Amino acid sequence: DSGVTQTPKHLITATGQRVTLRCSPRSGDLSVYWYQQSLDQGLQFLIQYYNGEERAKGNILERFSAQQFPDLHSELNLSSLELGDSALYFCASSVAGSGIDNEQFFGPGTRLTVL
Amino acid sequence: GESVGLHLPTLSVQEGDNSIINCAYSNSASDYFIWYKQESGKGPQFIIDIRSNMDKRQGQRVTVLLNKTVKHLSLQIAATQPGDSAVYFCAESNTGRRALTFGSGTRLQVQP
Repeated sequence: DSGVTQTPKHLITATGQRVTLRCSPRSGDLSVYWYQQSLDQGLQFLIQYYNGEERAKGNILERFSAQQFPDLHSELNLSSLELGDSALYFCASSVAGSGIDNEQFFGPGTRLTVL
Repeated sequence: GESVGLHLPTLSVQEGDNSIINCAYSNSASDYFIWYKQESGKGPQFIIDIRSNMDKRQGQRVTVLLNKTVKHLSLQIAATQPGDSAVYFCAESNTGRRALTFGSGTRLQVQP
């Protein structure tokens, strides 16, 4: 158990809908990262937050957004869902937002299925 | 959280043998490299990391080798066990950008 929790574990929804994925980082970790793991793209970095502020952006679509709250949990919002958004979404956390030896711990993931 | 059905290269080894999993990276600016293991139903799990100022690092039953000249990373697992069966990913980043760029992964199958 990495100490990172994600809810829900599974999510099934329809095209055009909006969903929210939730992540609680390990105790003491200030940085949260979101990754998408799809069939044809492998693990792709989406976005990073550090202590409530956006730190880095990766291949995140404009239909997707995220935030990190004062208690450091994070939510990833996916809107106008398309079939191609079906994937595993992982959250990871680390102590710092940058610097070397900054190991990231991954949660169990949320499996999103868009029908 | 299992690895979605990626068409991954597969390495099949006998229990007790040593395994070597290879990874090529492309970003010359990367200075930090990590190997992750992903078992079926779980998220990636940290195995071992290495900085770019090193060419070898050893852990418990695992060794990571880094060749910066050819941008190549390898993970060696000694005395491979059935519990080592999983998908293994290499990942890279640099000091200024902690987000990880993942390789495509290798599936390790350990035959009893």
